[in-house]
Formats: sequence, structure tokens, C-alpha cells
Amino acid sequence: QVQLVQSGPEVKKPGASVKVSCETSGYSFTSYGISWVRQAPGQGLEWMGWIRTYNSDTEYAQRFRGRVTMTADTSTNTAYMELRSLICNDTAVYYCARDEGGDYPKWFDPWGQGTQVTVSS
Amino acid sequence: DIQMTQSPSSLSASVGDRVTITCQASQDISYSLNWYQQKPGKAPKLLIFDASTLETGVPSRFSGSGSGTDFTFTIISLQPEDIATYYCQQYDDLPITFGPGTKVNIK
Repeated sequence: QVQLVQSGPEVKKPGASVKVSCETSGYSFTSYGISWVRQAPGQGLEWMGWIRTYNSDTEYAQRFRGRVTMTADTSTNTAYMELRSLICNDTAVYYCARDEGGDYPKWFDPWGQGTQVTVSS
Repeated sequence: DIQMTQSPSSLSASVGDRVTITCQASQDISYSLNWYQQKPGKAPKLLIFDASTLETGVPSRFSGSGSGTDFTFTIISLQPEDIATYYCQQYDDLPITFGPGTKVNIK
């Protein structure tokens, strides 16, 4: 079955970087995109960006541009999201999700289990 | 950015009730609207895509309708396992945006 398994929880200090991995299985990795969505404590869902896995083209939400990098390793069917210059408000659960849109983000199914990132001094 | 609003923000209903959630986009998004269910402590789950297409394996008591700027999500007969927060999401234009969510409780 299709699975996305994310790396474990992270605790970072302000100004640091975090890199979250998303290991996929059960489908053709390059036939779908990967989107990243985060959820701050008690808040709603926020789309961060998307990667076209077959050529690594990316689309980032404006508020994350310059601070986020999304990559895809086709040899291991794993996607990565790195967020730099962390601030306390980046504390959130970060999700990867298989994106139906191979060429443009559309809808997300299934999702990884989520990775808790805590930013605290 | 396209702004998505949902109403109500929360509701309580009895088992077996019909539940309706509305989602409105700040501009015409055609049929580019999806619905997700998120249970506490869990990742969201896709229920409906393209405004009205039920994802495989999703119970038929869930349905969606609408186009343009106004959309509706319905649970025909609420079940205890439907306790969750429901989000709409548009993909007509980037950035992808979500509604603020509707929390559904059992009365």
C-alpha cells in the first residue's frame, strides 16, 4: 500500500535549520508530486510548497521563499524539506503528502504521519 | 492569494443528523476544491476532490457540491466516527490555500 513515513521529532534553537525527510513506498515516486503542509499548535493547515519529483521543479508559498528548500531523491524515493532561520512561530507539525498533481499541485493523499518541529531557546 | 472561508467554525449534531458545511472562495475557482477530514492527533485524510468526487474507500454518506465561489460539504447521517475537523482547500491558483476548518462534535 502507499505509505509516506517521516523522520522523527526535532527540537531546534532560533536561527537554526531543520531538515525533514519523507520516505515513500508503494507507488511510482516520479508519477506524483510531493507537497509539504504545516500545522501550528491548535491552528489550521498551511501549504508550504510542492516539488515535481521527476525533475525537482518546485513551487514555494511566497512567505517561505528564501527560507525553504524542497528536494527529491529518486534513488531512494524520499523527499526532503529544509527550513532555515527558524523562529519560534515555526513550531508546528510538518506533513508531507503525495500530491495528485504530477505537474501542478492539486490534492493530497495520503499524508505522512507528521513531524513535530519545536523551536525554542 | 485566494482566501477560503468556512461556516460554521464548529457545530454539534446528533448521531444520524444531516450535517452541512459551507466553504466560500474569494474568487471563482471553478471546481478546484477539495475536502479533508482531520481527527485529533492524526494527519488529514482526503475525502472529496474536484468539488464532488468521492475518494476511493470513503463512505457514501459524505458528499460535496458547488462550483465557482460557493461549495457545500454534507454528511448525510452523522456517525460517531465522523467527529473531526473538516477543511476545504482550493488549487485553482497558487499558493494552495485551506479554509480555517469546521469542528464537528456529537451532541
